[in-house]
Amino acid sequence: NAGVMQNPRHLVRRRGQEARLRCSPMKGHSHVYWYRQLPEEGLKFMVYLQKENIIDESGMPKERFSAEFPKEGPSILRIQQVVRGDSAAYFCASSPASGNEQFFGPGTRLTVL
Amino acid sequence: GEDVEQSLFLSVREGDSSVINCTYTDSSSTYLYWYKQEPGAGLQLLTYIFSNMDMKQDQRLTVLLNKKDKHLSLRIADTQTGDSAIYFCAETPYNQGGKLIFGQGTELSVKP
Repeated sequence: NAGVMQNPRHLVRRRGQEARLRCSPMKGHSHVYWYRQLPEEGLKFMVYLQKENIIDESGMPKERFSAEFPKEGPSILRIQQVVRGDSAAYFCASSPASGNEQFFGPGTRLTVL
Repeated sequence: GEDVEQSLFLSVREGDSSVINCTYTDSSSTYLYWYKQEPGAGLQLLTYIFSNMDMKQDQRLTVLLNKKDKHLSLRIADTQTGDSAIYFCAETPYNQGGKLIFGQGTELSVKP
């Protein structure tokens, strides 16, 4: 049973480009959470999704950021027109149900030049 | 509001015990967690405690919860160099879908 998969592991973008981060949850898990870790800081909650639904996006910046978790395929975190302040590690976690233990992926480290 | 705080650094000698402390503000939290993050890696769940418990022991790890003071601690017995990492405590506020609120992390350095 493979763990939570994230790709790419490292992503370099120039200012103004788009970044797409993918997360494949563990088999049987239908709940996905995205967190952002800025340098020297803890993880901050961004968004919580179930299949085809955004349940809580209270931690998402209002502009440029969006997330989806389609019926088929991975969850996608999309950042449009990236800026240097978006440079961070983005972690995805999955769980079989709300409130259960979350299993984390290895993260995608985004660098904006 | 929700806030979790930890001291940033802890240095111990190999074989000693390490105690990492955490305070939180949300009294409705149902579970409290300790995660370990090694350099360049994701988070590994070490242990967790339900909010109606005072203590949980799991091999070298002991978690103590003082709900009155909203204080959580993680004790690692016989600390090894392989325990060097960043340790995060986290809470799940009640009825918020299970999202985790993390502290800033405590960097544990174990010297031989």
